[in-house]
Amino acid sequence: QVTLKESGPGILQPSHTLSLTCSFSGFSLSTYGMGVSWIRQPSGKGLEWLASIWWNGNTYNNPSLKSRLTVSKDTSNNQAFLKVTSVDTADTATYYCAHTTTTDYFDYWGQGVMVTVSS
Amino acid sequence: DIQMTQSPASLSASLGETVTIECRASEDIYSNLAWYQQKPGNSPQLLIYDANSLADGVPSRFSGSGSGTQYSLKINSLQSEDVASYFCQQYNNYTFGSGTKLEIK
Repeated sequence: QVTLKESGPGILQPSHTLSLTCSFSGFSLSTYGMGVSWIRQPSGKGLEWLASIWWNGNTYNNPSLKSRLTVSKDTSNNQAFLKVTSVDTADTATYYCAHTTTTDYFDYWGQGVMVTVSS
Repeated sequence: DIQMTQSPASLSASLGETVTIECRASEDIYSNLAWYQQKPGNSPQLLIYDANSLADGVPSRFSGSGSGTQYSLKINSLQSEDVASYFCQQYNNYTFGSGTKLEIK
């Protein structure tokens, strides 16, 4: 079955770069149609899609954050990565990765990793 | 960008009741709509995709409908385990609705 798990620093300082890893099993990001997306949720608030990476290496970022986001993948190790540059307190949230296919909805989600930006 | 307007923001209903949550898109999304359930402390789970298709393992008391810009999620015979927040999402460019918090009266 498909499982995903996020990992990250927990806490980081403003202006630094946030690096997150999504480790997954049950599918391969080298298989046609597979994708991993990143979504975040500030505590008690709604969901915001951040970025997606696809089996063919194509990436698609939220235009409101586009220049700050980088997504990448390591197919051989079944991992996907998200980098967010120049973080500030507004980036404090739980970050999720999710499995998607060319159907585009998010059918499996990780448990999430909480990230706090604080000096 | 396509905007999703979800209502109501919160909802209180009795066990056994039927509840409806609505989402309106700012333009036609051609049924490219999903509904997710997020129980307290958990990650979101897919309930409905393509506006009206039930995801694997989801109880049949959940149903989705709609087309164009108007969509709804209906929960029949409300159960205690349905206490959660519910989010719609259009997947033309992945915008989520603001969520509906469902409680038992």
